[in-house]
Amino acid sequence: AQSVTQPDIHITVSEGASLELRCNYSYGATPYLFWYVQSPGQGLQLLLKYFSGDTLVQGIKGFEAEFKRSQSSFNLRKPSVHWSDAAEYFCAVGAQGGSEKLVFGKGTKLTVNP
Amino acid sequence: DADVTQTPRNRITKTGKRIMLECSQTKGHDRMYWYRQDPGLGLRLIYYSFDVKDINKGEISDGYSVSRQAQAKFSLSLESAIPNQTALYFCATGGPGELFFGEGSRLTVL
Repeated sequence: AQSVTQPDIHITVSEGASLELRCNYSYGATPYLFWYVQSPGQGLQLLLKYFSGDTLVQGIKGFEAEFKRSQSSFNLRKPSVHWSDAAEYFCAVGAQGGSEKLVFGKGTKLTVNP
Repeated sequence: DADVTQTPRNRITKTGKRIMLECSQTKGHDRMYWYRQDPGLGLRLIYYSFDVKDINKGEISDGYSVSRQAQAKFSLSLESAIPNQTALYFCATGGPGELFFGEGSRLTVL
């Protein structure tokens, strides 16, 4: 069975600073990897996904993530954080087929200081 | 209108009461899911359905039941609510590439 670890429960950055949120997964085959964002009081919105091909994937809102098979990681990055990026971020791994039975990490809460 | 609509958005109930959370979607997908979110625990899958006749238990199905009334409707029931079922519940639908989530139903069991 697949599993996901997000080592950082809470991260605080200053507006304009760069951001990296860590995600490590465990899965025996080729994983399908996702990053979702949850703004306060809202549901989850897909930021980006990796199925195959180029290991650097671009998403919405200026986010990108890099799949590193050797490190079992799928870290999320943004070069310059905006105050509106304050939210909780979830990494998820799916089995073959993509989004079937996604397993989510416990989330990383991002605070952005002015 | 939202693609995935959950009702009620908020509910406070008492221990032992029966509660139903409803979900409808306009995305046209066959697959629907119920997740539970607790602070610090992320989202955990309760039940999922790949079509009207196919319903499967997720990792935390004990104490819950579901009904898939139509392709677009998937309800979650708590037959006898208990306090540790206090949580934020999400319905989702989607295909292989993406899940689309509702805005959540916050349930408090006193």
